[in-house]
Amino acid sequence: AQSVSQHNHHVILSEAASLELGCNYSYGGTVNLFWYVQYPGQHLQLLLKYFSGDPLVKGIKGFEAEFIKSKFSFNLRKPSVQWSDTAEYFCAVRMDSNYQLIWGAGTKLIIKP
Amino acid sequence: DAMVIQNPRYQVTQFGKPVTLSCSQTLNHNVMYWYQQKSSQAPKLLFHYYDKDFNNEADTPDNFQSRRPNTSFCFLDIRSPGLGDAAMYLCATSREDRANEQYFGPGTRLTVT
Repeated sequence: AQSVSQHNHHVILSEAASLELGCNYSYGGTVNLFWYVQYPGQHLQLLLKYFSGDPLVKGIKGFEAEFIKSKFSFNLRKPSVQWSDTAEYFCAVRMDSNYQLIWGAGTKLIIKP
Repeated sequence: DAMVIQNPRYQVTQFGKPVTLSCSQTLNHNVMYWYQQKSSQAPKLLFHYYDKDFNNEADTPDNFQSRRPNTSFCFLDIRSPGLGDAAMYLCATSREDRANEQYFGPGTRLTVT
């Protein structure tokens, strides 16, 4: 079955630490890839997306993600996190022409000041 | 600003008492989605509309219905809410040609007493 896996449910980091959140999907066809963020008490927002072209995509607030097709991965990175990055991060994948997004379970990121 | 609006933001209903949640959008997107999100879980797609074409997910209970009277509005009806239906309900929209980039409303938090 098609699925999206986020490896860590909870991540705790100190400010200025580097961040990498893992996302893997199981599907061999064409994919479009997304990271959404949900800050406490706020709605889901698109952080970045990959449709085609350069597999390294840059998003808002200094985040980036790299699509590695051979590894079926789309990991989210940020070189130096801030307290304001505390949020829940969801990886989502669109497979072929389906309207649906397949969602990962989410990773709760807590940044200690 | 173009946006997705959900009303009310908080809804309390009694066990078995029908409730309707509403969503409106000013983005003029032709695809609208309803998701259920429980605490610390990924959003779960209940159904979506492509224009007036209704698409129900196979595992969405019959207790959940939806209406889309026009492009701008979409309603979620829960005919007989149970305690297990307490959740955040998210409305999202997307354009047909970029169906995977979804824009989310702030959600309605439903409490069932």
